[in-house]
Amino acid sequence: AQKVTQAQTEISVVEKEDVTLDCVYETRDTTYYLFWYKQPPSGELVFLIRRNSFDEQNEISGRYSWNFQKSTSSFNFTITASQVVDSAVYFCALSVFNQAGTALIFGKGTTLSVSS
Amino acid sequence: DTGVSQNPRHKITKRGQNVTFRCDPISEHNRLYWYRQTLGQGPEFLTYFQNEAQLEKSRLLSDRFSAERPKGSFSTLEIQRTEQGDSAMYLCASSSGGILYNEQFFGPGTRLTVL
Repeated sequence: AQKVTQAQTEISVVEKEDVTLDCVYETRDTTYYLFWYKQPPSGELVFLIRRNSFDEQNEISGRYSWNFQKSTSSFNFTITASQVVDSAVYFCALSVFNQAGTALIFGKGTTLSVSS
Repeated sequence: DTGVSQNPRHKITKRGQNVTFRCDPISEHNRLYWYRQTLGQGPEFLTYFQNEAQLEKSRLLSDRFSAERPKGSFSTLEIQRTEQGDSAMYLCASSSGGILYNEQFFGPGTRLTVL
């Protein structure tokens, strides 16, 4: 069975702090994709990053960075120097393949609150 | 605006009524997905279309739910005889590319409240 676990339900930080959001996934597939989405208070899910199972290189995009480790089945997301605008719910998701199609399996999300 | 659009944004209905939601995907996207999100949870997959063909349905999609995508363009999701447990945000997403290269773009959702 495929599953995504985001153990942190809520995180509160003060502006400029660094924060890491954890994501652990389970799948028996050897080929899969992992994603992070942001859901701000407005509600619309915003795509942040996609990573395939064969690419374990870490990625940095501005203040965002992602650490993918297959050995621990983790795909963690770090925000450096957090800002109030980073306040949102962040979802980690796993894309799995079956004969008919594909779907995203989401974790329950981590609510990040950044105060000034 | 070339993103995914959904209508209506909010729907309040009485238990037992039928409701229909519409999703307009990004125009060049051939894949369309419906998800349901309840409070405090991540989105849960409901169904998936490739062009006009409905290729997969989650067990969450009971017989009261039906989805269509005529001509492979917009899609509708209908819920018959609504129940209070149907109250949720219904999200539509679209994507293109390979079967696993599945960067899905989401619409703003339709929030359903069943009284």
